[in-house]
Amino acid sequence: GENVEQHPSTLSVQEGDSAVIKCTYSDSASNYFPWYKQELGKRPQLIIDIRSNVGEKKDQRIAVTLNKTAKHFSLHITETQPEDSAVYFCAAILNRDDKIIFGKGTRLHILP
Amino acid sequence: GAVVSQHPSRVICKSGTSVKIECRSLDFQATTMFWYRQFPKKSLMLMATSNEGSKATYEQGVEKDKFLINHASLTLSTLTVTSAHPEDSSFYICSAAGGRYNEQFFGPGTRLTVL
Repeated sequence: GENVEQHPSTLSVQEGDSAVIKCTYSDSASNYFPWYKQELGKRPQLIIDIRSNVGEKKDQRIAVTLNKTAKHFSLHITETQPEDSAVYFCAAILNRDDKIIFGKGTRLHILP
Repeated sequence: GAVVSQHPSRVICKSGTSVKIECRSLDFQATTMFWYRQFPKKSLMLMATSNEGSKATYEQGVEKDKFLINHASLTLSTLTVTSAHPEDSSFYICSAAGGRYNEQFFGPGTRLTVL
């Protein structure tokens, strides 16, 4: 089955700087890569996703890159703000309606 | 976007009792629902996949007799934690796949505390 590794587990970034979270996956058949943001006690919220036929996708301050050959994908948050503080999870699945295998998560702290 | 609800949002029970958690897709039909468990400061771990009208598929290490899943309709799946013990205390989250683009949407979660 799919295995997703996520790094780092904790990340502290000065407000206004960029944050990068990296993931690797094991199943080369995976072709959908969502990223979730979860605040304490809340449900995960899909913030961006990318399909395997695309190398990069951007939505305002958030971007995701995918290297299918290396089975790496990364989340980039630019101009970080206090409200970006949360736990972020990556996942790699076959299709959008498949079971989600989450990475272990990255706790992002935005420092004032 | 599509809405998935869970009930109850929070439950406290005594050890040995059973607790039922409902997951509903409010404005779309979900042929597949998933149940996850999340311990404090940990990731979400998939427990089982629930398909309408058939038996649930459980992940390795999840006891099917302990966590009973019923998916009786295209909008409702239930998870029953039988004979709950303190180690079952966790945040239980469901997700439902469906809608126009066959996307997946999460419920708000249920926090179970077993005394």
